[in-house]
Amino acid sequence: DIQMTQSPSAMSASVGDRVTITCRASQGISNHLTWFQQRPGKVPERLIYAASSLQSGVPSRFSGSGSGTEFTLTISSLQPEDFATYYCLQHYTYPLTFGGGTKVEIK
Amino acid sequence: EVQLVESGGGLVQPGGSLRLSCVASGFTFSDRYMDWVRQAPGKGLEWVGRIRDKANTGSTEYAASVKGRFTILRDDLKNSLYLQMNSLKTEDTAVYYCARSSSDWLDVVDYLGQGTLVTVSS
Repeated sequence: DIQMTQSPSAMSASVGDRVTITCRASQGISNHLTWFQQRPGKVPERLIYAASSLQSGVPSRFSGSGSGTEFTLTISSLQPEDFATYYCLQHYTYPLTFGGGTKVEIK
Repeated sequence: EVQLVESGGGLVQPGGSLRLSCVASGFTFSDRYMDWVRQAPGKGLEWVGRIRDKANTGSTEYAASVKGRFTILRDDLKNSLYLQMNSLKTEDTAVYYCARSSSDWLDVVDYLGQGTLVTVSS
């Protein structure tokens, strides 16, 4: 199985900060990577697909990059509604596997 | 508007069975791959399995943790997805989400339902 390792697992940041979350795959997955946001008590929502394509309706402050084994999710200017847990998902091969999550908390 | 509505969750004893349902609307269900994703209390997301659309054989894939115990089914006439869960274990306790995917490997899990809670406990 492909292991997805996210870092950091948790972080504190302030409104307006630039935030970068990393997801590393245990083997190459091309650009078969999706990012999700899950606010507390809510359903996960897709932010980025195919590593860098922005989901319709998602603010442009979110961006994704990477290919192969290393991927990043960047929030250019953190907003109050962005405090949440973020997950990556590889869909290159079965079984699909999620990263462990990155919790972004208010500093 | 895409809607996925799960039902069927509840309390079940270890070794028991439960069948979850997911009714889809707002899109052509028969054209889509569908997934189940779960989340144990306070934990991360885990992919459970997938069923392909009939044009792609309607076959299934499963995570190792549920293979042989869980079965994913679909009824395209009812726009419904099912998860038959047998031989349940305490570690299967989770919120179960159905999710829409597609045959395009770059476009997966674009919507999830609200989820239904399954509690396995004696």
